[in-house]
Amino acid sequence: EIVLTQSPDTLSLSPGERATLSCRASQSVSSNYFDWYQQKPGQAPRLLIYGTSNRATGIPDRFSGSGSGTDFALTISSLEPEDFAVYYCERYDSSSLTFGGGTKVEIK
Amino acid sequence: QLQLQESGPGLVKPSETLSLTCTVSGASISTYYWGWIRQPPGKGLEWIGSIYYTGSTYYNPSLKSRITISVDTSKNQFSLKMNSVTAADTAVYYCARRRQASSSWVFDYWGQGTLVTVSS
Repeated sequence: EIVLTQSPDTLSLSPGERATLSCRASQSVSSNYFDWYQQKPGQAPRLLIYGTSNRATGIPDRFSGSGSGTDFALTISSLEPEDFAVYYCERYDSSSLTFGGGTKVEIK
Repeated sequence: QLQLQESGPGLVKPSETLSLTCTVSGASISTYYWGWIRQPPGKGLEWIGSIYYTGSTYYNPSLKSRITISVDTSKNQFSLKMNSVTAADTAVYYCARRRQASSSWVFDYWGQGTLVTVSS
């Protein structure tokens, strides 16, 4: 099973700052099959980025995704108050799907 | 607007079977894939399995021996059964739609989630 390790566990930043979240896979992952989700307290996850770098419908352009192979990143160029949440990376193939453990972006 | 709603008992006894149903409204269950994902309190997300409207299923290998996912197109519903539950199965259970986006597959619509507690 491919394991996704997210870092850091928690990112403490102020509004307006840049956030960079990392996700490392234990084996190479297809860029087409790598996504990011955002989850706020008491809510279901929301799709942010699919296929490594494609923003989902309605996602502002301050969110961007990059990476390949085993190393992927989610960047929020300038944090807005509504961006403080937990972010999960996810990968899948024909037989399985796994999520990373999550990175919490909190207000400093 | 597509909506998904999970339903089922909020409390299940250890060793018994957890049964949940996801009712889809605003769109036909046919054509898409659908999935179950769970989240233990204060922890991360775990994919349980997915099903196509034809009945083809894909299960998390770590749960495969205990789960069955089925679909009822006449009711626009799909369901999860998990047997031999333990306290480790206590979680919020989400249902979600899985659809193709370009060359990718994504969970784009989610239910609000339902908390299932395993306790005697």
